[in-house]
Amino acid sequence: QSALTQPRSVSGSPGQSVTISCTGTSSDVGGYNYVSWYQQHPGKAPKLMIYDVSKRPSGVPDRFSGSKSGNTASLTISGLQAEDEADYYCCSYAGSYTFAVFGGGTKLTVL
Amino acid sequence: QITLKESGPTLVKPTQTLTLTCTFSGFSLSTSGVGVGWIRQPPGKALEWLALIYWNDDKRYSPSLKSRLTITKDTSKNQVVLTMTNMDPVDTATYYCAHCVSSYYGMDVWGQGTTVTVSS
Repeated sequence: QSALTQPRSVSGSPGQSVTISCTGTSSDVGGYNYVSWYQQHPGKAPKLMIYDVSKRPSGVPDRFSGSKSGNTASLTISGLQAEDEADYYCCSYAGSYTFAVFGGGTKLTVL
Repeated sequence: QITLKESGPTLVKPTQTLTLTCTFSGFSLSTSGVGVGWIRQPPGKALEWLALIYWNDDKRYSPSLKSRLTITKDTSKNQVVLTMTNMDPVDTATYYCAHCVSSYYGMDVWGQGTTVTVSS
């Protein structure tokens, strides 16, 4: 069982917006502004999409945005495109001895 | 351009020790703030963080695996080595190494991964 809880799957049509939630506790998501999100296509390595809750690395489209409220972080993808279909993982800092805890992953299907 | 590549055995027997090497380029592990982490992913399952080493030799381990893991660095060779003892079939996974920087929270460049199967 993963430390952070994500929905197993979400879906949306091209052009629509979807939001993926990531629920933790006050010991991880709620305790620090250190949440990152990763996109993983089948057979590929994960790719960093969001860091520090809401910041985008260079090259990541601004259709991807992150936020946090309490113990829940969220990734929103607006203007869905076919290439956004992938697995998405959240990741949170959880204290000085636990650099990272991951969520169980969410499969995004673009209908 | 930062690149990382994992290497090691593809098959290990139960109870054996796994040694994986991450060879990187485009950065130095002697630069302040830089770190390299290891993450694994069993087939069809989620990512799991394993360990991290920083430029100053500060090391962090997954609490659930800490007793079995050792992470070291060789700055002159641009390598990070992860050892995992007492391997079990449940440790079958793709193992990734990734670059990170302490100034922000995220593993920004990942290796391609190496698949390890534990079987007798």
